[in-house]
Amino acid sequence: QVTLRESGPALVKPTQTLTLTCTFSGFSLSTSGMCVNWIRQPPGKALEWLARIDWDDDKYYSTSLKTRLTISKDTSKNQVVLTMTNMDPVDTATYYCARADSSGYQDFDYWGQGTLVTVSS
Amino acid sequence: DIQMTQSPSSLSASMGDRVTITCRASQTISTYLNWYQQKPGKAPKLLIYTASNLQSGVPSRFSGSGSGTDFTLTISGLQPEDFATYYCQQSYTIPRTFGQGTKLEIK
Repeated sequence: QVTLRESGPALVKPTQTLTLTCTFSGFSLSTSGMCVNWIRQPPGKALEWLARIDWDDDKYYSTSLKTRLTISKDTSKNQVVLTMTNMDPVDTATYYCARADSSGYQDFDYWGQGTLVTVSS
Repeated sequence: DIQMTQSPSSLSASMGDRVTITCRASQTISTYLNWYQQKPGKAPKLLIYTASNLQSGVPSRFSGSGSGTDFTLTISGLQPEDFATYYCQQSYTIPRTFGQGTKLEIK
């Protein structure tokens, strides 16, 4: 049974760095072709893909956010960590992690429940 | 980045209706197109992958078609649980991109 769960602060101040952790079970990120993604959704708005890390440690980022994002994994702990620097109120959103097949054949088949992050002073 | 455009943005329909949502990519994406359903306060759920493949456990009243730049999601015989927001997403290249969503409401 595949599960993912996001964790991190519910409230961050502007200019601070956000660190989110995705803890998963039911699959291994050392399996060829596996990857974990971060996706966010501002309140009432559409989904936005942020970043991806592959089983072989390849990393990919959103074009508009790549200077602020870092993704990493700890395969032994079944965790993926996303950091986002210089947080702004427009970054207020629910942040999801989701599993995918890195080939693109079957994207985002399992999602976490999401964690709402509010950016406010 | 590949832009994904859905239409309509919102749609009113009645139980039992057949509805179609369209998604257009700004460049060809072959059949690397996925559809998700999202209900309020919940994570999106994968319905259709690579344009026409039904995800396990998804009712057969959902179907997808298309290739290249134009795609459709069809729901045949709307059920109460189908009223939700639907998103298309391309998995042809990185960065992955989503459509803006189509909100399906009860008429």
